[in-house]
Amino acid sequence: NAGVTQTPKFRVLKTGQSMTLLCAQDMNHEYMYWYRQDPGMGLRLIHYSVGEGTTAKGEVPDGYNVSRLKKQNFLLGLESAAPSQTSVYFCASSYSAGVQPQHFGDGTRLSIL
Amino acid sequence: GQQVMQIPQYQHVQEGEDFTTYCNSSTTLSNIQWYKQRPGGHPVFLIQLVKSGEVKKQKRLTFQFGEAKKNSSLHITATQTTDVGTYFCAGPTTSGTYKYIFGTGTRLKVLA
Repeated sequence: NAGVTQTPKFRVLKTGQSMTLLCAQDMNHEYMYWYRQDPGMGLRLIHYSVGEGTTAKGEVPDGYNVSRLKKQNFLLGLESAAPSQTSVYFCASSYSAGVQPQHFGDGTRLSIL
Repeated sequence: GQQVMQIPQYQHVQEGEDFTTYCNSSTTLSNIQWYKQRPGGHPVFLIQLVKSGEVKKQKRLTFQFGEAKKNSSLHITATQTTDVGTYFCAGPTTSGTYKYIFGTGTRLKVLA
């Protein structure tokens, strides 16, 4: 049982390049989330999904797009990377809303030069 | 906007000393969750509190939810080096319980 798997684990991009971060969960969870973590700022929600085919904006959505074509996968895209997007990105999933714990992946460490 | 603040931001303790982190929300929360993140790791769910005034214990860890459901605390008795990490609280946003807002975190270092 892998839980939540994120790929890649590390990546270095040049300004203006694009890339997609993949999150896969094998727990049949309905809800999935993308966060970014920056020093001293905790976890900030980028986008989230409450089910297959649905996505919604979180706290800091600008510069990112997401897709949830399959229930188990949640993709985060950067169309034109900027240095301000250098961060650690975490994907999380939960069984349902409200009082369910979130299960996090190991994170993707992304540097934009 | 809705905010969840934690104090202190950093705490260094000698092994064996107690540690407490406080979480304060600008709004009333229906529930609150606590997570621990080891250095270089990912957040791991510790516990959830739902009821006003609720107190839960996990071995040396004691969690409290305030009577007004706007604050919470985590207390660790007799810290050990394995307690090192950052502790986050998280509460559901006022715009929907399927979104959580995380506190700024308290980073704990334990000196042996």
